[in-house]
Amino acid sequence: EVQLVESGGGLVQPGGSLRLSCAASGFTFSSYWMSWVRQAPGKGLEWVANIKQDGSEKYYVDSVKGRFTISRDNAKNSLYLQMNSLRAEDTAVYYCARDLELRYYYYMDVWGKGTTVTVSS
Amino acid sequence: DIQMTQSPSSLSASVGDRVTITCRASQSISSYLNWYQQKPGKAPKLLIYAASSLQSGVPSRFSGSGSGTDFTLTISSLQPEDFATYYCQQSYSVFTFGPGTKVDIK
Repeated sequence: EVQLVESGGGLVQPGGSLRLSCAASGFTFSSYWMSWVRQAPGKGLEWVANIKQDGSEKYYVDSVKGRFTISRDNAKNSLYLQMNSLRAEDTAVYYCARDLELRYYYYMDVWGKGTTVTVSS
Repeated sequence: DIQMTQSPSSLSASVGDRVTITCRASQSISSYLNWYQQKPGKAPKLLIYAASSLQSGVPSRFSGSGSGTDFTLTISSLQPEDFATYYCQQSYSVFTFGPGTKVDIK
């Protein structure tokens, strides 16, 4: 079964750091771009970052550039999101998603259940 | 950056109704447009990719159309399990989601 399982969420103070993990199984992890998407309480979806199969390309939404770092370990079938200088507005459920490419069309076909990050003093 | 808008932001409909949701991009995105369904407390689910291609396993009552800047998601006959929030997403330049359209019971 194709599966993504996020972990690492929790309560952190403003200015603090947190590292999210996403464990992939049931597919060849190293063959896919991967993304992080977040959803603030009661709000819509926001793409946060994605990373190429070999980690050589990474892209971020402007609001997290310089604070968040996406990475992956293909040997461990794992995706990570290092979050530094956290702000209250980073409070959200963070989803890991697989980016599928078909004839240059990209879409997110597999999603984890999410992990909750709360930034509060 | 490419901005996405959706209309309406919410709608009330009855089982069996035909429902249409519109998504507009701030610039031409060709057919690089996807649609997702999300139910409360759940992860999003891919419905349509490349503007009009139905994801495997998604009922045929869902359809997508459009290209350039204007796109439409249509549910031909609304079913009880379709009450949810729907998001469009552009993949022309990284990713951007629309603000969502909530479909609830009339």
